[in-house]
Amino acid sequence: SYVLTQPPSVSVAPEKTARITCGGDNIESKSVHWYQQKPGQAPVAVIYSDTDRPSGIPERFSGSNSGNTATLTINRVEAGDEADYFCQVWDSSNNAFVFGPGTTVTV
Amino acid sequence: QVQLLESGPGLVKPSETLSLTCNVSGGSISGYYWTWIRQPPGKGLEWLGYIYYSGTTNYDPSLKSRVTISIDTSKNQFSLRLSSVTAADTARYYCARGRLSPMLYFDYWGQGSLVSVSS
Repeated sequence: SYVLTQPPSVSVAPEKTARITCGGDNIESKSVHWYQQKPGQAPVAVIYSDTDRPSGIPERFSGSNSGNTATLTINRVEAGDEADYFCQVWDSSNNAFVFGPGTTVTV
Repeated sequence: QVQLLESGPGLVKPSETLSLTCNVSGGSISGYYWTWIRQPPGKGLEWLGYIYYSGTTNYDPSLKSRVTISIDTSKNQFSLRLSSVTAADTARYYCARGRLSPMLYFDYWGQGSLVSVSS
């Protein structure tokens, strides 16, 4: 089955840029989605299809996907961005959705 | 605004069947993939399966023998049954709406229903 890797944690100062990576074999051939989960809440999609932002998500959130790494970038980080972030892809060989293990962002 | 709300028992005995229902309001059930995802305490997300509004299903291969998802479009709700549960099935169970854009992602989620497996 397809395996996604993420760093367990990322620490960033307010107003700086956070970059969260999601690694997978030839991940650029897949469509990557990103979810933000704050403590005690359900996940919320922040990026879909590598680069698109759902309605209501600030422009500070952006995504990219190249080679074996997809990246979620959060510009001008705010205290309210503290959360767990999960990447997700469709594993066509296994006919299943796969989530990354998650990255905790600390501001 | 689309809202999803899970309901069902919070405690299930080992070897029994876990049953949850997700009620969808504020939008049509047609055209989407209605999905169950779970999250064990302190851990990551695990996709269980989905049902298309037409009734077509797709389950995670590792759970396929134990999972059944059904839909009742007249009531705008869909359900999860997970048989032969063990303590490893203790988790918060989320229902979510899967949207094709162009690949499937989950754009609306319920708040989750915590289910514990214990005798």
